[in-house]
Parts: sequence; structure tokens; C-alpha cells
Amino acid sequence: GAVVSQHPSRVICKSGTSVKIECRSLDFQATTMFWYRQFPKQSLMLMATSNEGSKATYEQGVEKDKFLINHASLTLSTLTVTSAHPEDSSFYICSASRSADWEKLFFGSGTQLSVL
Amino acid sequence: GNSVTQMEGPVTLSEEAFLTINCTYTATGYPSLFWYVQYPGEGLQLLLKATKADDKGSNKGFEATYRKETTSFHLEKGSVQVSDSAVYFCALSHPGGSEKLVFGKGTKLTVNP
Repeated sequence: GAVVSQHPSRVICKSGTSVKIECRSLDFQATTMFWYRQFPKQSLMLMATSNEGSKATYEQGVEKDKFLINHASLTLSTLTVTSAHPEDSSFYICSASRSADWEKLFFGSGTQLSVL
Repeated sequence: GNSVTQMEGPVTLSEEAFLTINCTYTATGYPSLFWYVQYPGEGLQLLLKATKADDKGSNKGFEATYRKETTSFHLEKGSVQVSDSAVYFCALSHPGGSEKLVFGKGTKLTVNP
């Protein structure tokens, strides 16, 4: 089946630094990728939708200047958490869809971000 | 707005026990409903889906029926195995064909031998 690789799986950083998370579709072209975050015992919350070659669409309440999304190619989207603070500590997950089968999303294994 | 509520975990069962994980939803229109499973160290995978009322999704011995009258999509399996230990997420897609999914909080299932 289709594989989405997300890297790193875990990152610890100091407050004020920036962290980049990569999401790659390994064996298909993903015209659309999604970024989610999940707090402990909470639902996955959609942060933004990323379309290749265009600006990301952010959900209400998500700061676009803090969570920079780049979808420069059909196989790679990146999420950069800028000037991270402890409240940004969370589990971040990406997913990718093939344009021909929108109902079937392929998910990365997630990134646990801890900001000290 | 659209939302999904699923039973709190964790759920611990013995092998061959019957499993039910409850899921109810709130949505305008007629959403599609999904169950995703996340095995340890892996990404979420689609387990099954149903796109209209009374549809039954099934896969790997798991079943769920889209009940419009009770706005539910409960996940069931007659005999669980140790390999079914995972986190299960109920989800709906926004009516109208959007790729956006609304997830429940997830239910962790542990099956002991």
C-alpha cells in the first residue's frame, strides 16, 4: 500500500527555536497533504491543508506565521514550528491523498514535539 | 458544528473476547463515516468506511453499521486477537465530498493472551 514517511518521529527543542517536520509520500504523488495536531486524550485537530504549488489553507485559530507550511513538490510537505514555546508541545501528524481517491488518506506515523 | 464522540479508553480484553467501541456523531447533511486504526509506531490506516445510511463497512473481522436514526457508527469484532491491540479512531468527512476529516479522541485497545 501507499506509504507516507514523517520525520523526525520525536524532537526535543529549547523554547524560542524553530523545528521543521517533513512529510513525504514515498510511492505516489500527493496533490494534497494535511497537517494535524493532537494533545493528550484529545482528538486529532486539522491545522491546515497544503496543496502543491500554492499557499496552505489554515483552519480557524491556527497561526499561519507560527506554523509555516511548504508544499514545494508532489511528494514533500514541511511544517515548521517557528519560535516554539512549551504550549506548542504536541503530537503532529501529516496525511496525504491521491487526487483520484480522495476518501482514502495515508498517514504518517507522527512527530512528538517537546519544547522545554 | 460537526463532531465525533467515541468511548473513552483504554479498553483491555482477553483474546477471543467480543469488542464494541461506541462512536456517535453530529453533522449537518450526510457525512461519510470511517474507522481508522493506529498500530504502535505506525501511521493511521483506514480500517473501514460507510458512505450512506444502513451501509455496513467491514474489514479484518471488524464491522460497523452507519445508523442515521441513532447517529452512530459503533465498531464491533466478534473475537479479538492480540494483534488487534492498537488505537482506534472514529471519523467523519464533511458532507459535500471534502477531504477534511473530523476525528474522535481515539480509543486504545489492549488485548491480552
